[in-house]
Amino acid sequence: QVQLVESGGGLVKPGGSLRLSCAASGFSFSDYYMSWIRQAPGKGLEWVSYITISGNTIYYADSVKGRFTMSRDNAKNSLYLQISSLRAEDTAVYYCARVRGLRLYYFDYWGQGTLVTVSA
Amino acid sequence: QSALTQPASVSGSPGQSITISCTGTSSDVGGYNYVSWYQQHPGKAPKLMIYDVSNRPSGVSNRFSGSKSGNTASLTISGLQAEDEADYYCSSYRSSSTLGVFGTGTKVTVL
Repeated sequence: QVQLVESGGGLVKPGGSLRLSCAASGFSFSDYYMSWIRQAPGKGLEWVSYITISGNTIYYADSVKGRFTMSRDNAKNSLYLQISSLRAEDTAVYYCARVRGLRLYYFDYWGQGTLVTVSA
Repeated sequence: QSALTQPASVSGSPGQSITISCTGTSSDVGGYNYVSWYQQHPGKAPKLMIYDVSNRPSGVSNRFSGSKSGNTASLTISGLQAEDEADYYCSSYRSSSTLGVFGTGTKVTVL
């Protein structure tokens, strides 16, 4: 069955960096667009970024543009999110998800999430 | 980018039907049949319940149905059960953005 497993979250100081990973299994990873979505504690969902099948094109939310870098390794069935220049407002659970739809707008499988806490 | 508007909370008794609204604009909800809905229990990842306005993924109960009128999409839960108590989020394609947009979220309480 489809599985997405995130890792790499933790406590980091403002201005610091982390690299989140998402290991995919149970489907042909290289056939799907993928995305990162985050959820601040007690808040709603926010689409962070998504990446095309080849990894050549990546889109970011304005709130993270220039600070976050998304990538993928199709040979390793893995997705990554390098998060830098972290701010308190980046504190959230980060989910990886498989993107679907003619306009690539919905997510049919989600990981369990990894918590990033930005605090001094 | 502004989120789609959902009521903060909706409640109902077991067996009743409830409807959650999701209001956008002609650039998102009203302009395309690309609306999805997610259920999220506390501490869990969201689960896809509806896509393309009214389609249910395999395994999702037929008590969940979706519809749209103008700029407002709706999720109806019929025969409300205790396990339906959760947060629900809508999402839509938006023509002015390369990324989609989520709703503000609705907490469903089963009385």
